[in-house]
Amino acid sequence: EPEVTQTPSHQVTQMGQEVILRCVPISNHLYFYWYRQILGQKVEFLVSFYNNEISEKSEIFDDQFSVERPDGSNFTLKIRSTKLEDSAMYFCASIEMGKGRVETQYFGPGTRLLVL
Amino acid sequence: GDSVTQMEGPVTLSEEAFLTINCTYTATGYPSLFWYVQYPGEGLQLLLKATKADDKGSNKGFEATYRKETTSFHLEKGSVQVSDSAVYFCALNRDDKIIFGKGTRLHILP
Repeated sequence: EPEVTQTPSHQVTQMGQEVILRCVPISNHLYFYWYRQILGQKVEFLVSFYNNEISEKSEIFDDQFSVERPDGSNFTLKIRSTKLEDSAMYFCASIEMGKGRVETQYFGPGTRLLVL
Repeated sequence: GDSVTQMEGPVTLSEEAFLTINCTYTATGYPSLFWYVQYPGEGLQLLLKATKADDKGSNKGFEATYRKETTSFHLEKGSVQVSDSAVYFCALNRDDKIIFGKGTRLHILP
């Protein structure tokens, strides 16, 4: 069964450093998402992406964050200058559109980011 | 705005016990409803879903029924196993983004 993959599985970085989290969505999916889960808290929507542009973003997704689809397979989340409070598990998800109302989002295994 | 409320955990049960995890939602209209499961050290997996009122989602012995009268989507399983130990998230779909509850941690004792 096709699946969403994410790399790295874990990343440790120093405060103020830039990090790039990578995702490979399911190949025929057209909408892509990033979510965040701070330890012990709920999973929160960050951003959705379609047709090479942001569709929607939450208030969490400030100017420190950016997303990109640099090629036909990868979907990245960049945090320009990490803060301690960016420590979280980051999930990528994708959804297939075009076959009626398809709503099941498929999630990757997550990247655990620790900012020191 | 839309939101999901689920029972606080952790929930601890013995193997073969009956499980209920309560979930209620607040939303305009009738969004699709989901249960996701997160096993230790893993990502989110879709457990089951229901797309309209009175639908019952089921998978791996788990069931949940979309109740619009009570705006609920409670998760049930008749006989839990140790391998069911995980965090369970109730969620709804709004404009193609998922809104999650806080999660309920389930511990099953052998």
